[in-house]
Amino acid sequence: SQTIHQWPATLVQPVGSPLSLECTVEGTSNPNLYWYRQAAGRGLQLLFYSVGIGQISSEVPQNLSASRPQDRQFILSSKKLLLSDSGFYLCAWSVQGAEPQHFGDGTRLSIL
Amino acid sequence: SQQGEEDPQALSIQEGENATMNCSYKTSINNLQWYRQNSGRGLVHLILIRSNEREKHSGRLRVTLDTSKKSSSLLITASRAADTASYFCATDAGAQKLVFGQGTRLTINP
Repeated sequence: SQTIHQWPATLVQPVGSPLSLECTVEGTSNPNLYWYRQAAGRGLQLLFYSVGIGQISSEVPQNLSASRPQDRQFILSSKKLLLSDSGFYLCAWSVQGAEPQHFGDGTRLSIL
Repeated sequence: SQQGEEDPQALSIQEGENATMNCSYKTSINNLQWYRQNSGRGLVHLILIRSNEREKHSGRLRVTLDTSKKSSSLLITASRAADTASYFCATDAGAQKLVFGQGTRLTINP
């Protein structure tokens, strides 16, 4: 069966510090991978998605970047965090774009 | 921009009652999906209905789709405390991605 791992579960970082969130999927090959951000009590904002190694589509120009160095690994990064980067970050995978997405348990990021 | 918009934003009912949530969208779709999110957790896929389907059932869940009105509804029958969660609709936006609505926060009171 397929599983998705996302870590860390919570993270507190100072403004201006770097960020690296990692997501890995097991049990499937060549998945579509997604990074979302969710503000408290709100819906999901798609940040990045990838349909293959090294292929990244950015949805919202901002202080973040994404990379896919391996087939089942998706990394969300920032060189310098802003207060506005606080939120709940979710990683997800799917077989293809219009099919159901399967989510990790998220990372709650607080910027001080 | 958001494709799907849920209504109501929040819903509070007694255990055992039925809960109905609605989703409206703006453009043509291939399918519409419903997800549940428990507090502080990731989303869980509940059901997918394709554009050529009008109704779909899964256990206590019933989803309808009206493409002429660009709307869908999710009915949870005989609600339980464990159904307390946020529910989101999502539509395929082409280009290998989904667009999620803002969600309905459902509270089931014992």
